[in-house]
Amino acid sequence: DIQMTQSPSSLSASVGDRVTITCRASQGISNYLAWYQQKPGKVPKLLIYGASTLQSGVPSRFSGSGSGTDFTLTISSLQPEDVATYYCQKYNSAPLTFGGGTKVEIK
Amino acid sequence: EVQLLESGGGLVQPGGSLRLSCAASGFTFSSYAMTWVRQAPGKGLEWVSSISGSGDNTYYADSVKGRFTISRDISKNTLHLQMNSLRAEDTAKYYCAKVRSEVVAAASNYWGQGILVTVSS
Repeated sequence: DIQMTQSPSSLSASVGDRVTITCRASQGISNYLAWYQQKPGKVPKLLIYGASTLQSGVPSRFSGSGSGTDFTLTISSLQPEDVATYYCQKYNSAPLTFGGGTKVEIK
Repeated sequence: EVQLLESGGGLVQPGGSLRLSCAASGFTFSSYAMTWVRQAPGKGLEWVSSISGSGDNTYYADSVKGRFTISRDISKNTLHLQMNSLRAEDTAKYYCAKVRSEVVAAASNYWGQGILVTVSS
């Protein structure tokens, strides 16, 4: 099975900072990758699918890139409401594995 | 408006069974795959199982294969997860989610609020 590895597992950044989260697949998955945001005590929310397509309603400060095995989620200017754990998920074929998550906090 | 409402959770002894349900509304249920994702207390998201829109294709995580069964009742717009031989490590909040496509190879764009399953003696 393909493993999904996220890094870092946590980060602390200042408001306005550019934040980058990485997700690496152990084998190529083309662009079958999604990013989710889960705020504390809340339900996961789809941010990006197809590695780079922004889900409707998601702020444009979020962007995704990558293909094959290496992917990134970028928050161009971190806002207080972005405090959350972010997960990548591969969905090219079952198992639809999630990454371990990246917890983003405000410094 | 898409709505997903899970039910059927609760406390069960190890070795016991539970059947989760997810009532769906606001979209054409048979046109979209559905998925179950769980989250153990303080842990990350774990994909559990998915089913195609038609119900013809089902998929399971190795951790639940042979113990859990996913199904859908298109006439009632309801997704089910039959969980047998439950173990302590199955303790988690279980989320029902709608997939963006009829096939399971797509992201999940709507999620229910989740239902708690606790396996303990």
